[in-house]
Amino acid sequence: DAGVIQSPRHEVTEMGQEVTLRCKPISGHNSLFWYRQTMMRGLELLIYFNNNVPIDDSGMPEDRFSAKMPNASFSTLKIQPSEPRDSAVYFCASSLAALRGVAEAFFGQGTRLTVV
Amino acid sequence: KQEVTQIPAALSVPEGENLVLNCSFTDSAIYNLQWFRQDPGKGLTSLLLIQSSQREQTSGRLNASLDKSSGRSTLYIAASQPGDSATYLCAVYFGNEKLTFGTGTRLTIIP
Repeated sequence: DAGVIQSPRHEVTEMGQEVTLRCKPISGHNSLFWYRQTMMRGLELLIYFNNNVPIDDSGMPEDRFSAKMPNASFSTLKIQPSEPRDSAVYFCASSLAALRGVAEAFFGQGTRLTVV
Repeated sequence: KQEVTQIPAALSVPEGENLVLNCSFTDSAIYNLQWFRQDPGKGLTSLLLIQSSQREQTSGRLNASLDKSSGRSTLYIAASQPGDSATYLCAVYFGNEKLTFGTGTRLTIIP
């Protein structure tokens, strides 16, 4: 398997523009996570899905952020409108969650977002 | 509040030495604990996963231990090499599917 695949790897956009980040989880995994990493706050969980259903979106910073998982092999994280403070590295991760407890999480290479 | 702490934030060690990285967490009711490595500008690479019923896991020169009662985990690296230089992150599943991360320890191995 190619692992978790994220696109684009780098994104530079102007303030106010819409940004869409994409993720393809590992085939067969049933849980998907979106994280944001900054120097100041480290790794923060934004939202996670189980079997394509959003389970916890309490980490989504505000209504400008939205995430979807239309099928088991694809997810998007959208920011509209984008602001300079959204600049960060966004990671997607997936795992095969067991009935009790969880399994190992695997991360993509991340998307480095710069909003100017 | 469920928190994960890693101290020190940075560590420098001469090549060849054995070293220990520390991770502490506030809630002993954990499911699993996972150690990751992150190289500059890269994603996170999973190193070891310890389930709550286990006390340690080994992979090559790496050995991770878990003591739930004291809320601690350690990552032992034997015979360190310059290629081990990276940031090491500890993450805990606190009874749900959410991984809560520590802030990491930036390790530098001095040739």
